[in-house]
Amino acid sequence: KQEVTQIPAALSVPEGENLVLNCSFTDSAIYNLQWFRQDPGKGLTSLLLIQSSQREQTSGRLNASLDKSSGRSTLYIAASQPGDSATYLCAVNRDDKIIFGKGTRLHILP
Amino acid sequence: NAGVTQTPKFQVLKTGQSMTLQCAQDMNHEYMSWYRQDPGMGLRLIHYSVGAGITDQGEVPNGYNVSRSTTEDFPLRLLSAAPSQTSVYFCASSPWTGAQYFGPGTRLTVL
Repeated sequence: KQEVTQIPAALSVPEGENLVLNCSFTDSAIYNLQWFRQDPGKGLTSLLLIQSSQREQTSGRLNASLDKSSGRSTLYIAASQPGDSATYLCAVNRDDKIIFGKGTRLHILP
Repeated sequence: NAGVTQTPKFQVLKTGQSMTLQCAQDMNHEYMSWYRQDPGMGLRLIHYSVGAGITDQGEVPNGYNVSRSTTEDFPLRLLSAAPSQTSVYFCASSPWTGAQYFGPGTRLTVL
């Protein structure tokens, strides 16, 4: 059974710092992995999608990497801003079942 | 494109009542899915569909039914609501192995 873990559960960093969020999964036979952000009381917004054949994807200040063999993905946020404060979730797709981690709650301190 | 739409936004039910949560997408996506989100539990997959006429169970399917008669619509039915089904429900769609797009959610309370 696929399990997805995100550590830490919560993180506070000063504005301007670079940071890394972690996602690990137990079954490496995945189709893809997707990172989302969720603001309080809102829906999910897709940030980056990495297909199983890819190693990384970039969008603006965000960079996501994928290492299938070790069952790990990271989301790198450069030059963090208060507007980056949100919960970040990763989700893996295997055999049409998409399993989410419980998320990392990120707080950027002004 | 409207993307993924869900109705209603809020709903209060009494134990034992039935209702249908509506989900529609206008992006011609093959894959659609329903999740529930609970504090401390994260998002859990209830049911999913890989195309019209095809549905399958996710992690927490008990108490819920789905059908997929068209590509666009994927309703979720609660046959006899229970307080344990109080949650926020999200519908999502995606092209085959593509990025998922989420609806705004339905906040359901069962008394």
